[in-house]
Amino acid sequence: GAVVSQHPSWVICKSGTSVKIECRSLDFQATTMFWYRQFPKQSLMLMATSNEGSKATYEQGVEKDKFLINHASLTLSTLTVTSAHPEDSSFYICSVLRGLGTEAFFGQGTRLTVV
Amino acid sequence: KQEVTQIPAALSVPEGENLVLNCSFTDSAIYNLQWFRQDPGKGLTSLLLIQSSQREQTSGRLNASLDKSSGRSTLYIAASQPGDSATYLCAVYLGAGNMLTFGGGTRLMVKP
Repeated sequence: GAVVSQHPSWVICKSGTSVKIECRSLDFQATTMFWYRQFPKQSLMLMATSNEGSKATYEQGVEKDKFLINHASLTLSTLTVTSAHPEDSSFYICSVLRGLGTEAFFGQGTRLTVV
Repeated sequence: KQEVTQIPAALSVPEGENLVLNCSFTDSAIYNLQWFRQDPGKGLTSLLLIQSSQREQTSGRLNASLDKSSGRSTLYIAASQPGDSATYLCAVYLGAGNMLTFGGGTRLMVKP
């Protein structure tokens, strides 16, 4: 069964509004979750590492004020795209690492379209 | 800095063929390597996970090998089917405190 659940799977919003994407780990507690962005026909680009109970770690070039990450519990991390603009339109995916073998599992992804 | 390369970038084969996808990485001090499948507009599905101490993993028609010293992994798909059409991504993990590093992917099309 699914290890990670991500919602919504797609969202269309108006320019200037904010959108929240949720990522839940379903059967284990995840102290760390990862947020990726994917452009068409490209591989995944890590945006930030979400840490439960502390501030997220952002990759170089990612605006922390634009992409707000909250990891308030061991099973839920949220990514909020604030004041969205058309250039923020993309596919966003979350991920967790589980187990001693540290296997990565990914959410279903969220297609964000800003109009 | 770890770099991961996948060759070929795209592949089109007739149904039934056996095929090999390649993944190479520059830093051999990996913790594990993972192969994923991604269908259009969907998230990633884990196919096979190979730990650094392992040489290969098998699941059904899929077999992944790992040669850490040479920085290479291959994903072998036997008797390909149209349902195998997807993008295949490999990713390496260097261990705690590090992130997954992805290759650019191989877009596979299996024609009926």
